[in-house]
Amino acid sequence: GQNIDQPTEMTATEGAIVQINCTYQTSGFNGLFWYQQHAGEAPTFLSYNVLDGLEEKGRFSSFLSRSKGYSYLLLKELQMKDSASYLCAVRDSNYQLIWGAGTKLIIKP
Amino acid sequence: DTAVSQTPKYLVTQMGNDKSIKCEQNLGHDTMYWYKQDSKKFLKIMFSYNNKELIINETVPNRFSPKSPDKAHLNLHINSLELGDSAVYFCASSQGVGGVDTQYFGPGTRLTVL
Repeated sequence: GQNIDQPTEMTATEGAIVQINCTYQTSGFNGLFWYQQHAGEAPTFLSYNVLDGLEEKGRFSSFLSRSKGYSYLLLKELQMKDSASYLCAVRDSNYQLIWGAGTKLIIKP
Repeated sequence: DTAVSQTPKYLVTQMGNDKSIKCEQNLGHDTMYWYKQDSKKFLKIMFSYNNKELIINETVPNRFSPKSPDKAHLNLHINSLELGDSAVYFCASSQGVGGVDTQYFGPGTRLTVL
């Protein structure tokens, strides 16, 4: 079966750095996405990885290792507004997005 | 301008009723989706349409019927609503299915079945 694993919840301090991991087992691979979802709102796109390595976009970076079926989202200089759920999604061989259950990130002052 | 819009935002109804949720996107995208997000926040794909053609139809009860009158609209009709249908339903759209094909989500419709 297809499976995406993420921690359910993480807590970090304002100004710090946090890494949210995602491991996946899917039938084929055509890219990995990270989305941010604030409570009661729609998911919004953060990043996309299809090749191994690190993609940096401001305070957020996303890393992919296809051989390990592993990705992480790195958030630097955490702000209170970063409190949200972070969803990992993998596009399989049928170009269908398989979603993880999301990691709820709590930022404390 | 709203990119992906859904109506209504909230829907409270009795078991057994029939209801519809409408979705419209003004991004010129070819592909539209319906997702269900349950209380555990897990996003599950229900349907996907590309240029008005159904391309993904997950294991969803046939009480759920999508309709795409044109590629900018994808409506969801639900017959004989059940308690387990209570969830947030998100519509989304994307340009295609390859590359950095970002999905843009609507604000969601929170359905409560009593």
